[in-house]
Amino acid sequence: QQPVQSPQAVILREGEDAVINCSSSKALYSVHWYRQKHGEAPVFLMILLKGGEQKGHEKISASFNEKKQQSSLYLTASQLSYSGTYFCGTFLMDSNYQLIWGAGTKLIIKP
Amino acid sequence: EAQVTQNPRYLITVTGKKLTVTCSQNMNHEYMSWYRQDPGLGLRQIYYSMNVEVTDKGDVPEGYKVSRKEKRNFPLILESPSPNQTSLYFCASSLSSGVEQYFGPGTRLTVT
Repeated sequence: QQPVQSPQAVILREGEDAVINCSSSKALYSVHWYRQKHGEAPVFLMILLKGGEQKGHEKISASFNEKKQQSSLYLTASQLSYSGTYFCGTFLMDSNYQLIWGAGTKLIIKP
Repeated sequence: EAQVTQNPRYLITVTGKKLTVTCSQNMNHEYMSWYRQDPGLGLRQIYYSMNVEVTDKGDVPEGYKVSRKEKRNFPLILESPSPNQTSLYFCASSLSSGVEQYFGPGTRLTVT
């Protein structure tokens, strides 16, 4: 039931782009994205609702493919501040009010 | 300042000694939740609460108890802690179940 995130880790140079995927085997109602820096609490980035809407947050955007039950997080022209672990959380169509989290993708940005 | 607070931030205890981790939010949120975070496993929900006096089990509730007597507080109780409960614990709150969650700073618990 846990969504699968890929890749598990990625190392980039500052200015490069990255894509993080979150896939579910079950029908999704929404996908939530959070970023957690080392030693800190997760911080909300965005929510994507069923309907395939693409959202953006500065140079970080995301899409939701309903047919594939997959969401992708796009980080363009990455900055050092983007380093951290990115988690997706999924609400299922038959959810009992639980957000189910992926295992996370660790992103390391080097100068 | 809108925030979720947790206490203590760090706790080292021994097997079997009852403990409580407090969680409080000042945003009048209906929904509150407890998670544990272990390396490689992400966040796993322990218990959640839709409102006062309404609580339900998450994915890993064994060995934990919660209560929600007031809207702002959602304590996590370990009646008889064991070493496999050594983890990083986060409390979170939100207006409802499907919207942005605000996390507390975390409590690092070590059970020896």
